[in-house]
Amino acid sequence: NAGVMQNPRHLVRRRGQEARLRCSPMKGHSHVYWYRQLPEEGLKFMVYLQKENIIDESGMPKERFSAEFPKEGPSILRIQQVVRGDSAAYFCASSPFTTNTEAFFGQGTRLTVV
Amino acid sequence: AQSVTQPDIHITVSEGASLELRCNYSYGATPYLFWYVQSPGQGLQLLLKYFSGDTLVQGIKGFEAEFKRSQSSFNLRKPSVHWSDAAEYFCAVGASEGGGADGLTFGKGTHLIIQP
Repeated sequence: NAGVMQNPRHLVRRRGQEARLRCSPMKGHSHVYWYRQLPEEGLKFMVYLQKENIIDESGMPKERFSAEFPKEGPSILRIQQVVRGDSAAYFCASSPFTTNTEAFFGQGTRLTVV
Repeated sequence: AQSVTQPDIHITVSEGASLELRCNYSYGATPYLFWYVQSPGQGLQLLLKYFSGDTLVQGIKGFEAEFKRSQSSFNLRKPSVHWSDAAEYFCAVGASEGGGADGLTFGKGTHLIIQP
């Protein structure tokens, strides 16, 4: 049973481009969380999704950021018109339950905006 | 809203010595509490968690943590550290109200350095 898979591991984008980060949850997990880790900081919650539904997006910036978790395929975190301040590590976690009590983390995608 | 404070940004410990990493939280009810470890360039691995019951919880790799409600603390301990324990350690709190379905709130982390 593979763990939470995130790709790419590293992503470089120029300012103004779009970044698409993918997260495949563990088999049997239908709940996905996205977090952002800035340098020298802890992880900050961004969004919680279940299949085809956004449950809580209170941590998502209001503009340029969006997330989805379709019925088929991975969860996608999309950042439009990236800026240097978007450079960070983005982590995905998945859980089999309706709570976060058993969340398993992926290895993250490190986004660098140049 | 909940919050987590890890007062120590860096801690240096000699190999074989005991370790205690501090974590204080703020939350109105009994929280869900977690400790994660992150090696360089890696994701987070869960060391242990507390939901209810026995306030002393055992985790993987010889770690344990004790929930002290009166001090709003959940300190991580290990009796004898190994060089492989060098990593970043994060304490996190989850809201128990609402079924714990919200995202976790993390502290800023403690960087553990092991001296030979």
